[in-house]
Amino acid sequence: AQKVTQAQTEISVVEKEDVTLDCVYETRDTTYYLFWYKQPPSGELVFLIRRNSFDEQNEISGRYSWNFQKSTSSFNFTITASQVVDSAVYFCALSEANYGQNFVFGPGTRLSVLP
Amino acid sequence: DAMVIQNPRYQVTQFGKPVTLSCSQTLNHNVMYWYQQKSSQAPKLLFHYYDKDFNNEADTPDNFQSRRPNTSFCFLDIRSPGLGDAAMYLCATSRQASTDTQYFGPGTRLTVL
Repeated sequence: AQKVTQAQTEISVVEKEDVTLDCVYETRDTTYYLFWYKQPPSGELVFLIRRNSFDEQNEISGRYSWNFQKSTSSFNFTITASQVVDSAVYFCALSEANYGQNFVFGPGTRLSVLP
Repeated sequence: DAMVIQNPRYQVTQFGKPVTLSCSQTLNHNVMYWYQQKSSQAPKLLFHYYDKDFNNEADTPDNFQSRRPNTSFCFLDIRSPGLGDAAMYLCATSRQASTDTQYFGPGTRLTVL
């Protein structure tokens, strides 16, 4: 069965520090998609990125970057120069193309950025 | 702007009193989902509609039902809310398959007294 692990339950950093959120997944499918979502205190899940299993290129979007490594089944998320507004719960999710039916979310990592 | 809208944002009901939560979307997506999220947990899928085709998760209690009268609207009915049903309820949509990006509404926080 598909599975997503986010080993870091909570992380606290001081503003302007870089922080990496880990995501490790398990799947038997060869075609799958990985996602990151941000959930600020308001509660809405905000989509950040979708990556398919055939595209291992790292991606950078402003202060956000993602490192996808199939060899270690990881899809880590780095925030550079963190800001207080980055404080939120971040979820990694996996969806299989052939075996699974739906998204599987990881347990989430609560990030607190202190001023 | 195309979006997913949930009403109300906060809902208070009494133990055992039926309640309906609503979701609408202007994205014209085929798939609509309902999730339940309890404090400090990941969202848990209750069911989803692929167009008019209803798909119930195996562990979704019978107390939870859903209706999708048209492409734009989807409702979550809780027939007899218990204290354990207090949670955030999130509606999401995706264009076609579950491998597509899901776009979430702001959620409805349900309190059961």
